[in-house]
Amino acid sequence: ETGVTQTPRHLVMGMTNKKSLKCEQHLGHNAMYWYKQSAKKPLELMFVYNFKEQTENNSVPSRFSPECPNSSHLFLHLHTLQPEDSALYLCASSQDPLAGAGVFGPGTRLTVL
Amino acid sequence: ILNVEQSPQSLHVQEGDSTNFTCSFPSSNFYALHWYRWETAKSPEALFVMTLNGDEKKKGRISATLNTKEGYSYLYIKGSQPEDSATYLCAFEGSGYALNFGKGTSLLVTP
Repeated sequence: ETGVTQTPRHLVMGMTNKKSLKCEQHLGHNAMYWYKQSAKKPLELMFVYNFKEQTENNSVPSRFSPECPNSSHLFLHLHTLQPEDSALYLCASSQDPLAGAGVFGPGTRLTVL
Repeated sequence: ILNVEQSPQSLHVQEGDSTNFTCSFPSSNFYALHWYRWETAKSPEALFVMTLNGDEKKKGRISATLNTKEGYSYLYIKGSQPEDSATYLCAFEGSGYALNFGKGTSLLVTP
């Protein structure tokens, strides 16, 4: 039980599809993150939210659109993705953004055909 | 993106062996160094957060040291067990909110 849940765990989508990844935490954390792990690359930070406000966008293409309706939920909306976007997408949360990403979710394995 | 290097890339040891691996990171604008353990099909698990030069942290058979002046951290596992098999990630935290991860060291411990 990690405290951070992600759905779906696996997703296969075409380049013209629109889908969303969901992340949920009930740890009382104020900061939430999206990370991407591509094959043979380090984890890359995509977005940081602090108290529902986006505080960092790490030069992510606009085909990835985050949404944080409250401090417990974080979404990543996907549209017109490319095959090179296939990766493991990890959500994480922490008490505050200066503490770094403390608790990770299990990730969503995304395949773009 | 800051350069965080981990070595070796992979390691295969026998049960009972002690082992260590290295994380090197920029020595400027240092705020913290994080170590994570990532087992296959599970979430990365935070092991240590280290902030002070000379810090040593210990959790069971796993310990870590930090040298911020020269920009490296060592992770040690004493008496490795098969359940220690995982990828060990380090992440450098400088100013701002981003953690810059290394590619990890993949450890396999065989009985």
